[in-house]
Amino acid sequence: GENVEQHPSTLSVQEGDSAVIKCTYSDSASNYFPWYKQELGKRPQLIIDIRSNVGEKKDQRIAVTLNKTAKHFSLHITETQPEDSAVYFCAASKAAGAGTASKLTFGTGTRLQVTL
Amino acid sequence: NAGVTQTPKFRILKIGQSMTLQCTQDMNHNYMYWYRQDPGMGLKLIYYSVGAGITDKGEVPNGYNVSRSTTEDFPLRLELAAPSQTSVYFCASSFPSGRSSYEQYFGPGTRLTVT
Repeated sequence: GENVEQHPSTLSVQEGDSAVIKCTYSDSASNYFPWYKQELGKRPQLIIDIRSNVGEKKDQRIAVTLNKTAKHFSLHITETQPEDSAVYFCAASKAAGAGTASKLTFGTGTRLQVTL
Repeated sequence: NAGVTQTPKFRILKIGQSMTLQCTQDMNHNYMYWYRQDPGMGLKLIYYSVGAGITDKGEVPNGYNVSRSTTEDFPLRLELAAPSQTSVYFCASSFPSGRSSYEQYFGPGTRLTVT
């Protein structure tokens, strides 16, 4: 089955700096890569996702890049703010066709702390 | 829309007891999922369903059972609770893969402790 590795496990940055979290996956058939943000005691919330036919996607201060050849993808947060402090999870799945569920395999998470 | 709702929020079980975790979604999603999240870890898929009457195992199904009699509800059953099942359980739902969005919408979670 799919295996997703995520690094680093903890990341501390100063407000205004950039943060980068990296994930690698093992199954070359995976084609959907979401990133979730989870605040303490809350549910995971999707912040950005990318499909395998796209190399990069941006949404304001957040971007995700995908390298299919190397089987890794990264989350980039620019101009970090204290409210970005949370645990971030990457995931991968094979979202095939109709009738096939998108079964997510999650990384182990990165605890991001943005300090003033 | 309430989205995905889960009950109870918290529960303490004794070893060997049984319980059902409830999950309901009002977004008319065909696909539903159950995940568990152990402390400091990512989520692991327990079971999933692509529609009423259809369920399948995920990565960690042992000790759990599910049923899907309606589109809205996807309960998770623990028959003989064990300490290893202490975790936070999240239910999620999504559109079918043919739609433009693969996003999974998560419920608020159930924190279960087995002692």
